[in-house]
Amino acid sequence: LAKTTQPISMDSYEGQEVNITCSHNNIATNDYITWYQQFPSQGPRFIIQGYKTKVTNEVASLFIPADRKSSTLSLPRVSLSDTAVYYCLVHNNAGNMLTFGGGTRLMVKP
Amino acid sequence: DVKVTQSSRYLVKRTGEKVFLECVQDMDHENMFWYRQDPGLGLRLIYFSYDVKMKEKGDIPEGYSVSREKKERFSLILESASTNQTSMYLCASSTTRGYNEQFFGPGTRLTVL
Repeated sequence: LAKTTQPISMDSYEGQEVNITCSHNNIATNDYITWYQQFPSQGPRFIIQGYKTKVTNEVASLFIPADRKSSTLSLPRVSLSDTAVYYCLVHNNAGNMLTFGGGTRLMVKP
Repeated sequence: DVKVTQSSRYLVKRTGEKVFLECVQDMDHENMFWYRQDPGLGLRLIYFSYDVKMKEKGDIPEGYSVSREKKERFSLILESASTNQTSMYLCASSTTRGYNEQFFGPGTRLTVL
């Protein structure tokens, strides 16, 4: 299973774009990358998933370079409510062989 | 609305007790997972199951066992609870198809005295 590494914490201000990078050097050919968001006293919830290049949805973008050894979650124009822990997850296509990163605690300041 | 429920939000047990944590999902998902979450250590996978009666060890299975007799229910068992098993326990489920995103329950905060 691919080991994942993320920064422990990041600070930002409202309205800024935030980029969180996850390193997964040993990612396998068939592995996918998924990001989750977790608020205090809640379980994580899905944000975005990708395999290669760029994926965008209504809340975030995910950038994956050609070698797939890292991925970057991009949150456009963050608000105070985006303060949370963000987890990177590498997993097989059945979603049951997986490794969570240690999580990045994002603090958005006014 | 999809749902993963866990039997208790808070649980206090004594060292040596047998502890059952129950998880139920209503989405007909094939995969179910048990994690523990500790400050600074993120989410660590204890066990997962990809089908009824099937189970696979995760990263930290020692001291735990699991049971999946029905598709919707996945139980985590602490045969003899110890103080180092004090933690937040999170259950999740996912399908093997499409995005296979994991849906998490609210968590059980277990304290072993």
